[in-house]
Parts: sequence; structure tokens; C-alpha cells
Amino acid sequence: QLQLQESGPGLVKPSETLSLTCTVSGASINSRDYFWGWVRQPPGKGLEWIGSIWFSGNTYYNPSLESRITISVDTSKNQFSLSLTSVTATDTAVYYCARLEYDFNNYRMDAFDIWGQGTLVTVSS
Amino acid sequence: SYELTQPPSVSVSPGQTARITCSADALPKQYTYWYQQKPGQAPLLVIYKDTERPSGIPERFSGSSSGTIVTLTISGVQAEDEADYYCHSGDSGGTVVFGGGTKLTVL
Repeated sequence: QLQLQESGPGLVKPSETLSLTCTVSGASINSRDYFWGWVRQPPGKGLEWIGSIWFSGNTYYNPSLESRITISVDTSKNQFSLSLTSVTATDTAVYYCARLEYDFNNYRMDAFDIWGQGTLVTVSS
Repeated sequence: SYELTQPPSVSVSPGQTARITCSADALPKQYTYWYQQKPGQAPLLVIYKDTERPSGIPERFSGSSSGTIVTLTISGVQAEDEADYYCHSGDSGGTVVFGGGTKLTVL
């Protein structure tokens, strides 16, 4: 059974870097059929896509966050990671990692079909 | 940038039909996906590729598409369907966009 689990600090100071890792179990991350993504949700607000990565390392980022984010993949550990620099209180959110189906033949992203449980990251001094 | 617009809230009585729309601001429209999110839980995929229903999702959930508007329909709404619903689509460049979400209240 495929599972995704986020891990990382729950509290980050303003101006510092938020770092999270998503560990995938039950399936290999090394597949051309899926991208792996990060989505966040500020308290009481909607979902916001952060970015996605393919097993090869190809990435797509939300243009509004692109200057501050890096998403990387470690296929040997079956993990992918998020780094968000220069955080402020507006980056306080539940951060989800999720699997994104990829139609390789049509170069099309499809659904987020499997989600982690999410982890709350608070930005505060 | 590509945007998806949803009504903030929809209210229906048990047994009635709920319709939640998601309007794209541009063509060509890519496929749309719908997620249900209950408090404290991760989103759950309920409709993919505009009209398809994943296994395990009740038949009362259906999707339709017309032009730039896609609709999630829940027939015979039950109390357990009360949740936030989000649409998701993307452009051909790999960007993912979510709608603002719709809170479904079962009266």
C-alpha cells in the first residue's frame, strides 16, 4: 500500500529556510508515470500548489514562489524534499506531499491521487 | 496566469442535488479534477479527467464539462458529504492551479 509521509521541523523562524522531506513507501519513486508534488494550505484557507518533480529531477514550480523554492529528489532513499527560503508568517501552513499522475505519452499532469497526512509548519520567532 | 473560480459556498438539504462549478478563465481547458477535504484531513480525489470517478468513490459523485465550466454534482446528498471541495487543473507547461474551494453545507 502506497504511503507518503512528510517530516521536518514544525517551527521555523522568520527569514530562515523551511525544509521538509516526503518519504514514499510501498512503491518506487523511480517511475516515469508520476510526478511528486508539494501543496500547502494556510490555516482556514485553500490549497496552493508549490511545485512538482519527476524522478529524473525535472521540476515545475509555482511562479509566485519560484524565487524561493527548491524541490529535489533522492531516488536511493525514495524521498523528495522541499526547501523554502526567507520565510515569513504568511508561509505558515499545513504542507502536504502528494503523488501526481503523469501521462507520459501526452506530456500531461493528471490527478493528485495519493496524499500524505500533512504537517503543520509555523513561522514564528 | 491561469485561474479557476469556484463559489465560496453551496448549501443543500439531505437527499437533494448539490452542484459545484469551477470556471476556467482561458481556453483550451485542460482536464479538471475534484477533491473533497474534511476538517483535519488530507484532500481526497473524487473526480478525475472531468468525468471519471476513482474506485471507492460513491456513484452519487459525478462530473461534467461544458466549455470552460466544469461541474461537480452530488446526487442525493448525505450528511457525510459536508466538506470543502476543490477543483484542480493545469496548463500545458506543467503548472498546477487549484480553485479557491467551495464549502458544501448539508442543512
